[in-house]
Amino acid sequence: KAGVTQTPRYLIKTRGQQVTLSCSPISGHRSVSWYQQTPGQGLQFLFEYFSETQRNKGNFPGRFSGRQFSNSRSEMNVSTLELGDSALYLCASSLGGGSGNTIYFGEGSWLTVV
Amino acid sequence: EDQVTQSPEALRLQEGESSSLNCSYTVSGLRGLFWYRQDPGKGPEFLFTLYSAGEEKEKERLKATLTKKESFLHITAPKPEDSATYLCAVYPGSARQLTFGSGTQLTVLP
Repeated sequence: KAGVTQTPRYLIKTRGQQVTLSCSPISGHRSVSWYQQTPGQGLQFLFEYFSETQRNKGNFPGRFSGRQFSNSRSEMNVSTLELGDSALYLCASSLGGGSGNTIYFGEGSWLTVV
Repeated sequence: EDQVTQSPEALRLQEGESSSLNCSYTVSGLRGLFWYRQDPGKGPEFLFTLYSAGEEKEKERLKATLTKKESFLHITAPKPEDSATYLCAVYPGSARQLTFGSGTQLTVLP
């Protein structure tokens, strides 16, 4: 059974540019969430989608956005990149139908902003 | 506000030297407490989910336990390949998100 797949794995962007990261959840999983991991702040929640609807959003500026498609695949976008956006962006998926479902993470997308 | 505190921040053990990692939490309506292992440059790998006080789960050399205020990850006779950062996270009933602790970086020396 394939795990959570994230692309690209590594990317370098320039300040002011925008970036789109992609996530394919485990087959059958309908909930996809995104997290940002940095050495200073640890793992922080960005947003969560279930059946194409955003159900929860973390405390990040509006430059961070996401969406989910009908096949449960998800994308997140960061516009007007800042140096502080350099981080590991992690996607996680779960069945999502109720609380307590096991949440599995992908390997992440390493974003470096220069 | 949901909070998770892990201790110690770092732990060095000799191979075979058993120990425990602590995860203290405050959360409104716990629906699950998760343990993950994270290797450098990789995403968190799921280990356990605990749902209610008194629950215990085991996997190889790892055993996780849960009380109403904290969880422990016991490592018995660790091996160098157990070296990683261990993350604890809570899933409250009020929000569909995990709140993570800062992790314990475990190093097991041969």
